Amino acid sequence: DAGVIQSPRHEVTEMGQEVTLRCKPISGHDYLFWYRQTMMRGLELLIYFNNNVPIDDSGMPEDRFSAKMPNASFSTLKIQPSEPRDSAVYFCASSLWINYGYTFGSGTRLTVV
Amino acid sequence: TQLLEQSPQFLSIQEGENLTVYCNSSSVFSSLQWYRQEPGEGPVLLVTVVTGGEVKKLKRLTFQFGDARKDSSLHITAAQPGDTGLYLCAGGRAKTSYDKVIFGPGTSLSVIP
Repeated sequence: DAGVIQSPRHEVTEMGQEVTLRCKPISGHDYLFWYRQTMMRGLELLIYFNNNVPIDDSGMPEDRFSAKMPNASFSTLKIQPSEPRDSAVYFCASSLWINYGYTFGSGTRLTVV
Repeated sequence: TQLLEQSPQFLSIQEGENLTVYCNSSSVFSSLQWYRQEPGEGPVLLVTVVTGGEVKKLKRLTFQFGDARKDSSLHITAAQPGDTGLYLCAGGRAKTSYDKVIFGPGTSLSVIP
């Protein structure tokens, strides 16, 4: 398996624009997680899915953030409108179990100017 | 609220030295994982420990889970520049199928040639 695949690797956008981050999890993994990492706050869980269903979105900072998982092989995280404080590295991870061995993608470095 | 603390926050050592980093919590975990994150990449799982007192070795890395399953340590022998990175511990409770893993803030290790 190619691992968890995220795109794009880098995204630079202007404040107010819509940003869509994409993730392809490992085939067979029932759990998919979206994380955000910054120097100040470390690794923060935004939302996770189990069998394509959103289970916990308590980490989503605002209504500007939304995530979908239309099928087992694809998920998106959308920010609309984007703000400079959204600048961070966003990671997608997948796992067979909720509390065991997450596989992370390489991340998307988002810069909002 | 569960919290995982890691110490030290930063560590800079010379190649060939030994080091230990720590992960502590007031909560009991059913599993404890260690990840290493290299610059520009996502965290990569190194090991999972599940039994109190368990010791696992991965080449020059030795991982130990505390007897009470509240803490863990990672010892590196004869550190090499390739060991440079952010070391994250993550605890899982698994009391329900929705108990997600909790990540610590990480220890940033720099091994100087």
